[in-house]
Amino acid sequence: EVQLVESGGGLVQPGGSLRLSCSASGFTFSIYAMQWVRQAPGKGLEYISGIGSNGDNIYYADSVKGRFTISRDNSKTTLYLQMSRLRPEDTAVYYCVKGIAASPGYYFDYWGQGILVTVSS
Amino acid sequence: EIVLTQSPATLSLSPGERATLFCRASQSVSNYLVWYQQKPGQAPSLLIYDASNRATGIPARFSGSGSGTDFTLTISSLEPEDFAVYFCHQRDNWPPTFGQGTRLEIK
Repeated sequence: EVQLVESGGGLVQPGGSLRLSCSASGFTFSIYAMQWVRQAPGKGLEYISGIGSNGDNIYYADSVKGRFTISRDNSKTTLYLQMSRLRPEDTAVYYCVKGIAASPGYYFDYWGQGILVTVSS
Repeated sequence: EIVLTQSPATLSLSPGERATLFCRASQSVSNYLVWYQQKPGQAPSLLIYDASNRATGIPARFSGSGSGTDFTLTISSLEPEDFAVYFCHQRDNWPPTFGQGTRLEIK
């Protein structure tokens, strides 16, 4: 059974930093692209970052470019999102999402349960 | 970036009725349009990929159609568990984008 479990969310002040982790199991993590998609309260979905199976082909949405860094450790089957210079508009549920191919940009067949990040003073 | 516009925003129907949801793209996405279902308090789950292909385990009452800029998700006869929010997603152009969702509620 595919499982994606996010951790590391919580309340942080504007300008602060947070590191999200996503522990994956139930599939061969090292051969699939992984993504982070977020959903602000009451809003739609926003694709914010993707990484290829080998840690290449990295993409960031303009809204987070220069502030967020995506990475992965295939030996630990874990995906990360380092978030810095956080803003109130980054408040959202962040989903770890598995792609169906080695490169980002395809569709997504499994999603984690999501983790809430709240940026507020 | 490509904007996806979903309509209606909310659809109120009864179990057993037919549901038709629409997704329009601001420019052609070929057939690279995906549909997800999101139930309250849950993560989205894959329904339809590449416009008309049902994902594994998705019942036959769900069908997708369309190409270019106009797409449709049809649920032929609503079951109680189908009342949820449905999102479309295009993977033809970078960055991937999502529609704002259609809420399917019980009438």
